[in-house]
Amino acid sequence: QVQLVESGGGVVQPGRSLRLSCAVSGFTFSTYALHWVRQTPGKGLEWVAVISNDGSDKYYADSVKGRFTISRDNPNNTLYLQMSSLRVEDTAIYYCARQARGGGGTYSDYWGQGSLVTVSS
Amino acid sequence: DIQMTQAPSTLSASVGDRVTITCRASRSITSWLAWYQQKPGKAPTLLIYKASSLESGVPSRFSGSGSGTEFTLTISSLQPDDFATYYCQQYNSIPYTFGQGTKLEIE
Repeated sequence: QVQLVESGGGVVQPGRSLRLSCAVSGFTFSTYALHWVRQTPGKGLEWVAVISNDGSDKYYADSVKGRFTISRDNPNNTLYLQMSSLRVEDTAIYYCARQARGGGGTYSDYWGQGSLVTVSS
Repeated sequence: DIQMTQAPSTLSASVGDRVTITCRASRSITSWLAWYQQKPGKAPTLLIYKASSLESGVPSRFSGSGSGTEFTLTISSLQPDDFATYYCQQYNSIPYTFGQGTKLEIE
């Protein structure tokens, strides 16, 4: 079955860096685009970034552009989110999600369980 | 950015009720809209894509409609498992924005 498992979250000071990983199984990783989405109690769900199946195309929300980098390792079925210059407002649960194929569009059909990132001094 | 506005924010209903949640986009997104259900402590799960297409495995009591800027999610007969928070998401253009959510509570 399709599984996405995030890791790497934790408590980090403002200005520091953190890298999230998303290990995938149950589908052919290299044929799907993937997203990061975050969730905070105050702002709800916020789309963060997307990467194409081969890693050639990447897009970011303005709130993270220039600070976060999405990448993938297709041979090892792993998605990454490198987060730098972290801010208190980046505190959230971070989900990786598979972009659906067929049916048109770029919605997400499977999500991981999430990884909590807390930015605090 | 396209703003997505859901109404109501909270909805109280009983088992067996028919309920409707509305999602409005700040500009046309044609039919590029998805609906998700989220239960406490869990990730969102996909219910509806392309405004009205039911995701495989989702009960037929869930249905979606609309196009352009106005969309609805309808649950025809509420079941105990349906009490959760529901989100719409537009995927017409980046950034792919979500509505603020509708919490469906037991009345």
